[in-house]
Amino acid sequence: DVKVTQSSRYLVKRTGEKVFLECVQDMDHENMFWYRQDPGLGLRLIYFSYDVKMKEKGDIPEGYSVSREKKERFSLILESASTNQTSMYLCASRRHPPDRRNQPQHFGDGTRLSIL
Amino acid sequence: GNSVTQMEGPVTLSEEAFLTINCTYTATGYPSLFWYVQYPGEGLQLLLKATKADDKGSNKGFEATYRKETTSFHLEKGSVQVSDSAVYFCALSDLPSRGSARQLTFGSGTQLTVLP
Repeated sequence: DVKVTQSSRYLVKRTGEKVFLECVQDMDHENMFWYRQDPGLGLRLIYFSYDVKMKEKGDIPEGYSVSREKKERFSLILESASTNQTSMYLCASRRHPPDRRNQPQHFGDGTRLSIL
Repeated sequence: GNSVTQMEGPVTLSEEAFLTINCTYTATGYPSLFWYVQYPGEGLQLLLKATKADDKGSNKGFEATYRKETTSFHLEKGSVQVSDSAVYFCALSDLPSRGSARQLTFGSGTQLTVLP
């Protein structure tokens, strides 16, 4: 079974802090994703990465950056945390076959981040 | 662009009742369709999928049929259990167009509560 591990289940930070959320997967997947989940809005894609050192913006990248230095690890960075970034953050990974449509994403358990 | 519309929740049913959660989509291509489930305190898990028109995905007693003519992928279960209480997300995946970062488009989620 695919294992996607997020480093923290709950995190509390202060406005203006630089925040790192870490995600590790153990199945040698090429693709990795960061979403945020908010009530009534479902999941929204922040950033994703096709492979090591490659990244692309999702729907809501403002205020975030990412790092993919190793294949198994994908980090989400809040450069200067703000209260509107309080949310549940979900990491996912996926194998990269020729037809990407049919491959499901595998999710971590999420990090509930509160910015005070 | 692509979009997914789910019936709004929350949905509350008694054990052994019949479940339907409606999902309709808009897509420019020929997407694959997914249902994900999120149990309390956990990340999303793939429940079932269908990759082409008239395909039926099924798992754990849940079923959904890919209906291209009505652009729908409704989730059904004949007899729900208390353990089915969770949030259910409908999603579609299409081949990304040039410059597009979208990989999975999610609905807003439907909270299901099953009472004993």
